[in-house]
Order: sequence, then structure tokens, then C-alpha cells
Amino acid sequence: DAKTTQPTSMDCAEGRAANLPCNHSTISGNEYVYWYRQIHSQGPQYIIHGLKNNETNEMASLIITEDRKSSTLILPHATLRDTAVYYCIADSNSGYALNFGKGTSLLVTP
Amino acid sequence: GAGVSQTPSNKVTEKGKYVELRCDPISGHTALYWYRQSLGQGPEFLIYFQGTGAADDSGLPNDRFFAVRPEGSVSTLKIQRTERGDSAVYLCASSFYGGSTDTQYFGPGTRLTVL
Repeated sequence: DAKTTQPTSMDCAEGRAANLPCNHSTISGNEYVYWYRQIHSQGPQYIIHGLKNNETNEMASLIITEDRKSSTLILPHATLRDTAVYYCIADSNSGYALNFGKGTSLLVTP
Repeated sequence: GAGVSQTPSNKVTEKGKYVELRCDPISGHTALYWYRQSLGQGPEFLIYFQGTGAADDSGLPNDRFFAVRPEGSVSTLKIQRTERGDSAVYLCASSFYGGSTDTQYFGPGTRLTVL
């Protein structure tokens, strides 16, 4: 698995964009970048994934640098319900054993 | 539709006892996963089922842990001779086919406390 590095915690004001960085400098060419989040006392929730192109869905956008060594998850208009731990995962070679790490604890404030 | 469900939501047991944790995956999902999450840590992979068979059990910490999925749907995680260090949230997830880009859908977890 490629190792990922994320800040331990971040704050964001409600209504503003939340930009969550992730470093995965050792990612291999066929490894995807996944983002999951975990709201307190719930199971993790899939957000988005990508290989090398930027991706957008109804929840977020994923920007992957051209060299694929880092990425940024963007929540365009953060709400209080987006307060959660966000995990950046560089897909394991197995394709199924997600390696979550410790993630970034995002606090969205009023 | 219904998501992944896990029972019980909380389980308190005494050291040395046997426990069973149940997971009901999303209907039609062939792949099922168990993870364990200790306080302040991210989930850690335990075992992966493809259908009825355990395709990868490399994450099980020792032989006290065992999981089954006899009919390819419901799965049970079994822990023998529980230890205080087994206290954690046990998460189950399922996905449609188990491939590398297949989204895993997680249940709410079972919080196990070993006294």
C-alpha cells in the first residue's frame, strides 16, 4: 500500500469550501486514491475516488496533482453535518483491504 | 434500500467469554468485509469474503478470531476467549463484486467491551 499523510485536524467555517490535503508520494501507477469519511459513532461513508483525472460528484470534488503524489478533497460549501474524520486511502494492491490510517478530523463551525 | 446492518450494536462481556457478532450485508452484494476500529484509530482490515469463502483472512490478529458466511449473505465474526485488548468497534462492510474500484458500504458497527 502507498502510505498517505494527512493533517491531524482542520477547521472550516460553515458555507465556505473545505480543502482537505493528502500526500501519497509513493503511490504506484495503478493505485486509486479513495476518500471516505466517518461521522461520530457511524461507519465510514464513501465519498469519491480517482486514478489520475479530477473527479466530481454530488458530495465533493477530488483534485489529483499531475504527478499523482498528492490530492485534495474539496467540499464546496461545508455544512455542520460535514464535521467528521476524513480518510484518504491509496488503494491497496489487494483492491479490497482499505488502509484507513488516522485521517483528518474536520470541524465545521457556525 | 436497506443498508448494512450489524447486531448487537453494543456487547459487553467478561474476559475469557465467547462472543458472536452478526453482519447483514446489502442484498445482492457478493463481497463482505470485517474491520476493527480501536479508539482514536482508523478501521483496520480483518477479513474479506467473496461469496461463501474467505478470500483473505490475513488481518485476523490470531486464531481466537474466526468468521463465517455459510450462505453467502449473513456473516458472523466469532471471538473465543475474549481479552480486554479485543475491546473495539467491529465494522462490517459489503460491496457488489469486490473489485478494486468497488465501493464498500459500511454498517454502524458493534461496540465490543471486554471487562
